[in-house]
Amino acid sequence: GENVEQHPSTLSVQEGDSAVIKCTYSDSASNYFPWYKQELGKRPQLIIDIRSNVGEKKDQRIAVTLNKTAKHFSLHITETQPEDSAVYFCAAFMDTGRRALTFGSGTRLQVQP
Amino acid sequence: DTEVTQTPKHLVMGMTNKKSLKCEQHMGHRAMYWYKQKAKKPPELMFVYSYEKLSINESVPSRFSPECPNSSLLNLHLHALQPEDSALYLCASSQVGQGANTIYFGEGSWLTVV
Repeated sequence: GENVEQHPSTLSVQEGDSAVIKCTYSDSASNYFPWYKQELGKRPQLIIDIRSNVGEKKDQRIAVTLNKTAKHFSLHITETQPEDSAVYFCAAFMDTGRRALTFGSGTRLQVQP
Repeated sequence: DTEVTQTPKHLVMGMTNKKSLKCEQHMGHRAMYWYKQKAKKPPELMFVYSYEKLSINESVPSRFSPECPNSSLLNLHLHALQPEDSALYLCASSQVGQGANTIYFGEGSWLTVV
């Protein structure tokens, strides 16, 4: 089955710096890659996603890149703010076969004011 | 409306109790999911329903029994649980079909087994 690895497990940055979180996946059939932000005691919230026919997607301070050949995708947050502090999960999904999200292990991002 | 509604938000139950978690969506989604999330861990898939039929059971113990009465509702029946089953239980839904992948999560039900 699909396996998603996520690094780093913790990331501490100064306010205003950029943060990058990286994920790799194992199954080339995966074709949808969402990123979720989860604050303490809350549900995972979708912040950005990318489909396999696209290499990069941006939404204000957040961007995601996908390299299908290398089977890795990354989340980039620029101009970080204290409210960006949370746990971030990457995930992989495939349209056919096992139609369910497989999550990475999570990254705890702390933005220091 | 992109809401997935879960009830109850919090549940405390004894090991001999029978209780149910409920999930509802009105987005016309035909895939519904149960995930379990322990503290500081990612959500872990339990069950998937597609067109009201169980399509994935991730070898979940039989003390958890899912039910999909119709395309909008998903239940998780709980019986004879153990303290280690205490967790956040997340329901999610999505469309079915190529390119229809966005998955929406409910707020979750916090379960404590005593």
